[in-house]
Amino acid sequence: SQQGEEDPQALSIQEGENATMNCSYKTSINNLQWYRQNSGRGLVHLILIRSNEREKHSGRLRVTLDTSKKSSSLLITASRAADTASYFCATDKGGGTSYGKLTFGQGTILTVHP
Amino acid sequence: DTAVSQTPKYLVTQMGNDKSIKCEQNLGHDTMYWYKQDSKKFLKIMFSYNNKELIINETVPNRFSPKSPDKAHLNLHINSLELGDSAVYFCASSQDLGTDQPQHFGDGTRLSIL
Repeated sequence: SQQGEEDPQALSIQEGENATMNCSYKTSINNLQWYRQNSGRGLVHLILIRSNEREKHSGRLRVTLDTSKKSSSLLITASRAADTASYFCATDKGGGTSYGKLTFGQGTILTVHP
Repeated sequence: DTAVSQTPKYLVTQMGNDKSIKCEQNLGHDTMYWYKQDSKKFLKIMFSYNNKELIINETVPNRFSPKSPDKAHLNLHINSLELGDSAVYFCASSQDLGTDQPQHFGDGTRLSIL
């Protein structure tokens, strides 16, 4: 079964608003990553958060991790039309080496209207 | 310079044919991956190689055969193509097998089976 599941499946907002996407996973992890995918392009890495971290920031991005609830959230502040994309969380498997294997959720489609 | 490049970008072919997709990375990474993204955007790992050695081989039909002539290249050959093989195939690379680092993706090969 899928490790990560994003919520909501789709999000539509106006430019300047904040966008929050959530990811839930089933088993323990060592690391959780967020990626962005623009239409017709490959995935681009946004941010990585380790299991012993609770929050991380990168520019307009803020990621939180709650290992007790097995969930993470990605907040994009002051969104722009260029943020329109699909956003995916990806998890490894805790407890040992994953040999590079990441399991991706089905993504949240974010549309930012100008 | 494109970090991870794959060719062709589009592949339209008949059922039963054999086709190959090529991937090259110029990042000096040790590890390369093949992913399949279906029409619902679900991204699933198929194979990974580390320094030309097969590491991950998920439950993929043996009609799919990866080949890594050197650590900068990972090709995917598919025999006897079926309708269900229609998808976008992504190549990716990472520094090594650790999941505490980003994976870099190519822009995908959209395979359509007629």
